[in-house]
Amino acid sequence: GNSVTQMEGPVTLSEEAFLTINCTYTATGYPSLFWYVQYPGEGLQLLLKATKADDKGSNKGFEATYRKETTSFHLEKGSVQVSDSAVYFCALSGGYQKVTFGTGTKLQVIP
Amino acid sequence: NAGVTQTPKFQVLKTGQSMTLQCAQDMNHEYMSWYRQDPGMGLRLIHYSVGAGITDQGEVPNGYNVSRSTTEDFPLRLLSAAPSQTSVYFCASSAESSPYEQYFGPGTRLTVT
Repeated sequence: GNSVTQMEGPVTLSEEAFLTINCTYTATGYPSLFWYVQYPGEGLQLLLKATKADDKGSNKGFEATYRKETTSFHLEKGSVQVSDSAVYFCALSGGYQKVTFGTGTKLQVIP
Repeated sequence: NAGVTQTPKFQVLKTGQSMTLQCAQDMNHEYMSWYRQDPGMGLRLIHYSVGAGITDQGEVPNGYNVSRSTTEDFPLRLLSAAPSQTSVYFCASSAESSPYEQYFGPGTRLTVT
């Protein structure tokens, strides 16, 4: 079946540091890939998406590229802010409108 | 436009009690889902619905019932609460045109003692 593997957290960075959160997946067919973000005390929000190989999703300074050859969708941001502190979930589309989520990676950005 | 709303925000139950978690959306989305979030396990799908009158089981359906009598509402019923159902529950909805782009409610934190 489908699965998503994310790097374990927490990830602690200083403000303005470069961020990478690794995500790899196993899936049949050609899924769409997503990053969701969960701020403290809130539900998940869609951050960005990519629907086919070599697509780059981007939003709010975050980017991720759909790499079919390495089955990866790593999240990057060039300069993180304290307000980026949250839990980040990698996810992929499955059959019957289902979404498979990774376990989440907590990011803490310190001033 | 309130999006996806969930009530209550917090609930404590004793083992064996039953309750219903409410979920409503005002975006006229066809698809709705219930997830539970547990530490180290991400989100796991409990039940989902692709339209009024149609529901199906997800990954972890045991101990839960759902119904979808209207497009807007998708309540989750715990039949006889168990400590293993202590979790944070999220409801989500999505449009038929983009089914994987889900909108989440703020969650219900449930503790079963």
